[in-house]
Amino acid sequence: DGGITQSPKYLFRKEGQNVTLSCEQNLNHDAMYWYRQDPGQGLRLIYYSQIVNDFQKGDIAEGYSVSREKKESFPLTVTSAQKNPTAFYLCASSIQASGGYTFGSGTRLTVV
Amino acid sequence: AQRVTQPEKLLSVFKGAPVELKCNYSYSGSPELFWYVQYSRQRLQLLLRHISRESIKGFTADLNKGETSFHLKKPFAQEEDSAMYYCALGSGGYNKLIFGAGTRLAVHP
Repeated sequence: DGGITQSPKYLFRKEGQNVTLSCEQNLNHDAMYWYRQDPGQGLRLIYYSQIVNDFQKGDIAEGYSVSREKKESFPLTVTSAQKNPTAFYLCASSIQASGGYTFGSGTRLTVV
Repeated sequence: AQRVTQPEKLLSVFKGAPVELKCNYSYSGSPELFWYVQYSRQRLQLLLRHISRESIKGFTADLNKGETSFHLKKPFAQEEDSAMYYCALGSGGYNKLIFGAGTRLAVHP
């Protein structure tokens, strides 16, 4: 069953901790993306990657880091430098130059 | 600056009424525009894209370059259309999308 899987669904982070959100796809898509969704603000791009071992900053990359060691995987680390990390995080993938994203079900991160 | 504006946070209509969800964009190049929809407890999914000029679930959207708009329309709303709708602009050679803030459509019986 092809798709994009995000885990965990819910994540709690203490102040000063780094946490990593997982995103895996078996669609053979080249491009992968991380968005942050906040109420009233829509989706804002954090990082994106078009090919393995390459990624670019989006509009709100500060306090986040990513890696793309495999085509299928694009994990996002929320570092302690991110001042307001509580949000809903969405991962997406697409065939190059299509604009038709496939989204994951999201991870809700809460700082406690 | 590239930007997508959805001026309405909430659009509330009765079943059978026409629906128009507004989307305006700002982009200096040739835009690629999309509508995405998120039904309750479901993933965000592509509804339609302007290059396809298709009608999905009775919805259509026409790109108006003069008015820089890509409004989503449906002549007769159904209760199952209730969802969050996002307009998105394809930006740059990598096709990263810029999303609007979204409009919640509520269709009442």
